[in-house]
Parts: sequence; C-alpha cells; structure tokens
Amino acid sequence: AQSVTQLGSHVSVSEGALVLLRCNYSSSVPPYLFWYVQYPNQGLQLLLKYTTGATLVKGINGFEAEFKKSETSFHLTKPSAHMSDAAEYFCAVREGGYSTLTFGKGTMLLVSP
Amino acid sequence: DAGVIQSPRHEVTEMGQEVTLRCKPISGHDYLFWYRQTMMRGLELLIYFNNNVPIDDSGMPEDRFSAKMPNASFSTLKIQPSEPRDSAVYFCASLQGTHYGYTFGSGTRLTVV
Repeated sequence: AQSVTQLGSHVSVSEGALVLLRCNYSSSVPPYLFWYVQYPNQGLQLLLKYTTGATLVKGINGFEAEFKKSETSFHLTKPSAHMSDAAEYFCAVREGGYSTLTFGKGTMLLVSP
Repeated sequence: DAGVIQSPRHEVTEMGQEVTLRCKPISGHDYLFWYRQTMMRGLELLIYFNNNVPIDDSGMPEDRFSAKMPNASFSTLKIQPSEPRDSAVYFCASLQGTHYGYTFGSGTRLTVV
C-alpha cells in the first residue's frame, strides 16, 4: 500500500531563506509524486508533479522537487522564501496508473519578515 | 475553463438535517473524487467515480453518507442525518486519465451544530 510521510507539521523560515519541505513515500511500484499547496480557505493547487523522466521537476512560484528513488524521497525546495509562500503544503503519491492519490498530513510553512 | 465548481461554499445546519453538497467537474475529466479534510485526520478519500460509475466507496464513513454522479458534469454528496462530527471541509476533485494531478474545487465548509 502507498503512504506518505511529511516530516514536520510546521516549518518556519525568514523571508529570503531557503525553503525545504520533506516528503518520504512508500510504494510497491514506481510512483507518481505530487506537491500541492493550500492557501487559507482555498482548495488544493498543484505545484508540481513527477511521473517519469527527469528526476528534478520544476513547478510554479519557483518551487522544485527532486525524486530520489534510493531514498524514497521527494523533497520540495525553493531558494528564497517570499511572504506569499506562507501556506500549507501537501505531498501525495499515486502508484503508477492507479488513480487514487494518498496525501501526507501536510506541512504549514510560516514565513517571517 | 472555470475549474471544478463546488456549492455551497459554506453550509451551517442543525444536527439531524439532510445536507447535500454539489460538484461540477472539469469538462472532459473522467474521474471524480470526494475528499474530506479535518484537523485530526487530514485529507481522507471518501469515494471516487470513473465515467460516472462509483469505483471505490470504502472511505465513506457510514451509511449516512451517499454519493451519486448522474452524469459527467454533476455529482452530489449527501449526508442524512448529519451529525456534529461531520463538520469538515469537503473537497471535490476531477482528473483526466491517470498521468496528471487532480484539480480541486474550492471546497464546502460544513458546520453541523
């Protein structure tokens, strides 16, 4: 069965600092991996996805993530945090063509001036 | 495209009343998902449809919950009778094929008093 673990329910950074949100997954087949962002009182918005091919994927708003099969990880990074990045971030996994996404518990990113 | 449309955005009802949540998926998307989000449990998959047919409803918490998809452009999630513990944000999402991420609606915040 597929599962996702997000380390840290809250991550605090200063504006301009590196953002690193951690995600580890468990999957019995090659996974499809996703990061979503949720702003207050809104739905989830797709940031980026990995399906096949290049293991470093770039998404919207300057975020990127790298699929590391040996570490079963898909950490999300951004070189320089902006105040507008404050939101909750969800990592999700789907096993190949199987259609159901399994979400992690989410990580709240707090950005201070 | 207008995206996934959910209605109402907010619903406050009294315990014991029937509640109906509505979702219009993106045209051409052949999968539709209903999720529930709470602080305690995070995002939980309730049920999903493929080509209007329910595929997996194992996440529906009780017989009080039911979902239908009478056509490709409309789905409902009904709770009858509602209870305070049903208070949550309910999201609808749609998907085309299996190689992409879901597109989420803005959610319905349900409060049962």
